[in-house]
Amino acid sequence: NAGVTQTPKFRILKIGQSMTLQCTQDMNHNYMYWYRQDPGMGLKLIYYSVGAGITDKGEVPNGYNVSRSTTEDFPLRLELAAPSQTSVYFCASSYGTEWDRTQSYEQYFGPGTRLTVT
Amino acid sequence: AQSVTQLDSQVPVFEEAPVELRCNYSSSVSVYLFWYVQYPNQGLQLLLKYLSGSTLVKSINGFEAEFNKSQTSFHLRKPSVHISDTAEYFCAVSFNRDDKIIFGKGTRLHILP
Repeated sequence: NAGVTQTPKFRILKIGQSMTLQCTQDMNHNYMYWYRQDPGMGLKLIYYSVGAGITDKGEVPNGYNVSRSTTEDFPLRLELAAPSQTSVYFCASSYGTEWDRTQSYEQYFGPGTRLTVT
Repeated sequence: AQSVTQLDSQVPVFEEAPVELRCNYSSSVSVYLFWYVQYPNQGLQLLLKYLSGSTLVKSINGFEAEFNKSQTSFHLRKPSVHISDTAEYFCAVSFNRDDKIIFGKGTRLHILP
């Protein structure tokens, strides 16, 4: 198993450009998440999904969009990039069921995408 | 708002010395508690978790954490650290069995030779 893969590893964007961060997992996990990590600020949840076709906002969704058309993929779209979106982005996945969500808290993280907006 | 506090942003400690990384959370509602570890240039991985039962939980590499409901704390300890423990440690909490977990700001553990 490759686990959670993210592409690209690094990217520099100009202000106002758009891009999609890709995330794929091969563990058949139903839960997927996007976080951003800023120095000294921990991780902030951007969006999450509990299954294909279902997405929900996290703590910091503004400026981002997601879709979940398959179990494996959970791309994050940045429209009109701004310097405030300079960050390291992590995708994660986990498995949980409606009657036992405790497994879902063991999240598996990808290696991250370092994005700079100038 | 519910929050997770890790007061120490960095903790330097000599190799083979004990260490405690502190974590407090804001509410005494039903919680699930976690410690995640991030080694340099990697994503996070789960170190240990408390869901129910014994308040003392342990990891396979010698870390342990104790759930203290009255003090709303979940401090992480290790009796003797190794250079390979160099990493950033994140406390995380699920409040009221929510789908989401809230992360603290992290504590960077520096092991001194």
